[in-house]
Amino acid sequence: NAGVTQTPKFQVLKTGQSMTLQCAQDMNHNSMYWYRQDPGMGLRLIYYSASEGTTDKGEVPNGYNVSRLNKREFSLRLESAAPSQTSVYFCASSEGAATSNSPLHFGNGTRLTVT
Amino acid sequence: RKEVEQDPGPFNVPEGATVAFNCTYSNSASQSFFWYRQDCRKEPKLLMSVYSSGNEDGRFTAQLNRASQYISLLIRDSKLSDSATYLCVVIPGYSTLTFGKGTMLLVSP
Repeated sequence: NAGVTQTPKFQVLKTGQSMTLQCAQDMNHNSMYWYRQDPGMGLRLIYYSASEGTTDKGEVPNGYNVSRLNKREFSLRLESAAPSQTSVYFCASSEGAATSNSPLHFGNGTRLTVT
Repeated sequence: RKEVEQDPGPFNVPEGATVAFNCTYSNSASQSFFWYRQDCRKEPKLLMSVYSSGNEDGRFTAQLNRASQYISLLIRDSKLSDSATYLCVVIPGYSTLTFGKGTMLLVSP
């Protein structure tokens, strides 16, 4: 069972470069999320999508864009990477709405370093 | 007061010990609560939901105290494999899940 699949697992970028993190889920979930996790900061929500075609900002959206391509896929784009975006990025999905009692299922994470 | 607060630990306990973590939340209207577990360099995984009446899953017991606005996780008979970071999650009702920063547990032989 694949669940939530993220690619790539690791990435090193130079300041100013761009990249897209891919995420796909095969559980027919409605909601999808992008989080970043930094030491001492916990998990912080970047963007989420309650359904296909909708996206909303989370706690730390600056410097990122997202696309909910279809029900399965939710990508995160860094247009001009900065060292402050060095982090571990997790994609997640849930069956219900973002504010409902639906647990999150996470992908394995992407470890991004910006030099 | 931060939305969700946890003691970061680490809690160092021997195998077989009982250990408890608390998590406080600021929004009294919060309706849903969870505990997640995160192993080192892995993704978080749902450990258990927290119900108003309290609930148990094997060695794990979760409780909710609405009056004092905290949830707790009790682990009995700790195993080496319980070593992980435990994340408290609260849904305020007006927004998406809010994660605590986690409490690290280290179980030693």
